[in-house]
Amino acid sequence: AQKVTQAQTEISVVEKEDVTLDCVYETRDTTYYLFWYKQPPSGELVFLIRRNSFDEQNEISGRYSWNFQKSTSSFNFTITASQVVDSAVYFCALSEMNRDDKIIFGKGTRLHILP
Amino acid sequence: EAQVTQNPRYLITVTGKKLTVTCSQNMNHEYMSWYRQDPGLGLRQIYYSMNVEVTDKGDVPEGYKVSRKEKRNFPLILESPSPNQTSLYFCASSLWDRGTDTQYFGPGTRLTVL
Repeated sequence: AQKVTQAQTEISVVEKEDVTLDCVYETRDTTYYLFWYKQPPSGELVFLIRRNSFDEQNEISGRYSWNFQKSTSSFNFTITASQVVDSAVYFCALSEMNRDDKIIFGKGTRLHILP
Repeated sequence: EAQVTQNPRYLITVTGKKLTVTCSQNMNHEYMSWYRQDPGLGLRQIYYSMNVEVTDKGDVPEGYKVSRKEKRNFPLILESPSPNQTSLYFCASSLWDRGTDTQYFGPGTRLTVL
């Protein structure tokens, strides 16, 4: 069965610090997708990234970076030089490659960036 | 402007009274989906659709129906709502295309079933 674990329920860091959000997944499939989403205090959901299991290259987008390691079944998300606007709940998720839109979510990590 | 709209945004209803939450997207996306969000349980997918007339169950489809008669619309139907369907519901529209993956969510519908 598929499962996504975000062991960090809540994290607080001081602004400008780097922070890494952990995501560990379980799947019997050899091909799958991994996702990250952001939900700020205002409540909307924001898609951040989708990465397929064939592509283990790290991804960087501005201050955001993602580290995919198949060997440890992890897809961690790092925010560099955090800002107060990064305060949000972040969800990691997983889907099977042949069922693109059937997505299983982790329980989320609430990130507080302290000024 | 890329947009996913949901209506209503807030709804209080009573057990057993059929209701429909509408979802519409203006991006011509093939994929659409419904999620519910509950404290302590996080986000769970209810149904998804890969194209017109193609739908499939997510994790928690019981008590819900969907239809996809046109690409832009993906309504969520609760034939006989019960209190355990009180939740925050999100609709999403997706384009999954290597290099241009994107997904947009509606603003959410807060449903209370008494």
